Amino acid sequence: GAVVSQHPSRVICKSGTSVKIECRSLDFQATTMFWYRQFPKQSLMLMATSNEGSKATYEQGVEKDKFLINHASLTLSTLTVTSAHPEDSSFYICSARAGQGYNEQFFGPGTRLTVL
Amino acid sequence: AQRVTQPEKLLSVFKGAPVELKCNYSYSGSPELFWYVQYSRQRLQLLLRHISRESIKGFTADLNKGETSFHLKKPFAQEEDSAMYYCALLSGAGSYQLTFGKGTKLSVIP
Repeated sequence: GAVVSQHPSRVICKSGTSVKIECRSLDFQATTMFWYRQFPKQSLMLMATSNEGSKATYEQGVEKDKFLINHASLTLSTLTVTSAHPEDSSFYICSARAGQGYNEQFFGPGTRLTVL
Repeated sequence: AQRVTQPEKLLSVFKGAPVELKCNYSYSGSPELFWYVQYSRQRLQLLLRHISRESIKGFTADLNKGETSFHLKKPFAQEEDSAMYYCALLSGAGSYQLTFGKGTKLSVIP
């Protein structure tokens, strides 16, 4: 199947700093990318849907100024956690979908963010 | 709004025993349902989707619209089946978003 990578896999930062997480589709062009957040022992919660070349659509309760998403190309989407605080510590997972109509979502390995 | 319910957080079975992971959904439209699996230290991956009516790794799942269920079944559990299993519902209308259940951790006891 198609491969989606995330970088970094793990990041530790101080409170107040910003962190950028990259999501790349390695062998296909991703029309749509999705960003999820997963708390320990809980399910994946969709944060936002990102379409290439347009603004991301955020789910209710997700602060768009806090979680900046950029989908500048068909193979790259970035999530920037701005002014991170300890409560932002979580596991962030992206997925990518190719083409129009339904196509399978391929998931990245996730990024563990710890804010001190 | 759509919802996916997996009532069991943890399910332990002995090797060779049958397995059934429960999933119920709530959705006003025509549902498309999936099972995803996450093995230890690995990424989430698609196990099967109801429209394919396929059997993957011995697992099957039948969509029951009357009971709004999509339970995952396997007649004989193997140790390598131990993993987290997530049921997911696809919402259409151009968004193709997945709504996930909370997941069930399957532990197969040797």
